[in-house]
Amino acid sequence: AQKVTQAQTEISVVEKEDVTLDCVYETRDTTYYLFWYKQPPSGELVFLIRRNSFDEQNEISGRYSWNFQKSTSSFNFTITASQVVDSAVYFCALSDTNDMRFGAGTRLTVKP
Amino acid sequence: EPEVTQTPSHQVTQMGQEVILRCVPISNHLYFYWYRQILGQKVEFLVSFYNNEISEKSEIFDDQFSVERPDGSNFTLKIRSTKLEDSAMYFCASSRPGTGRNTEAFFGQGTRLTVV
Repeated sequence: AQKVTQAQTEISVVEKEDVTLDCVYETRDTTYYLFWYKQPPSGELVFLIRRNSFDEQNEISGRYSWNFQKSTSSFNFTITASQVVDSAVYFCALSDTNDMRFGAGTRLTVKP
Repeated sequence: EPEVTQTPSHQVTQMGQEVILRCVPISNHLYFYWYRQILGQKVEFLVSFYNNEISEKSEIFDDQFSVERPDGSNFTLKIRSTKLEDSAMYFCASSRPGTGRNTEAFFGQGTRLTVV
């Protein structure tokens, strides 16, 4: 069955610290897509990244980077030099042949 | 930049009443979705819609729920007889053509439904 696990319920860091949000997934499909979404306090879902199962290259976008490892079924997200505006709930999601399933989310609090 | 729009942003309804949540997906998208997020919990898939019919639905999407694309632009979620536990944020999403369901879904801002 398709499943996404975000083991960290809440993380609190001080501004400028680096922080990594973990995501582990399960799927029987060989073709699938992984996503990260940000949900700020205002409630909307903001798309951050999409990766397909055939592309294990890590990606960097500004202060954000993603580490996709098929061998461990993980798709971790690192924020470098965190800022207060990064405070939000972050959801990892998996889409295979059926639908997109979200993890439970990790609430990140960045303190000044 | 095109976006998915949802109305209303907040709806309060009495238990047992019918509600219709409205969404305008991005105009050239072909796949449409509804998701639900109970306060403080994860985002849950409800239903996907393609080619004027439901393509997938979750166990949450029971007979109380229905979806419709009444015209070329709107995509609606109807809850026939609301229950207290239907109180949640409901997100509409759509995705691009040619890439199927497994693509980036663009989400609306959500409709917060409160059942009293």
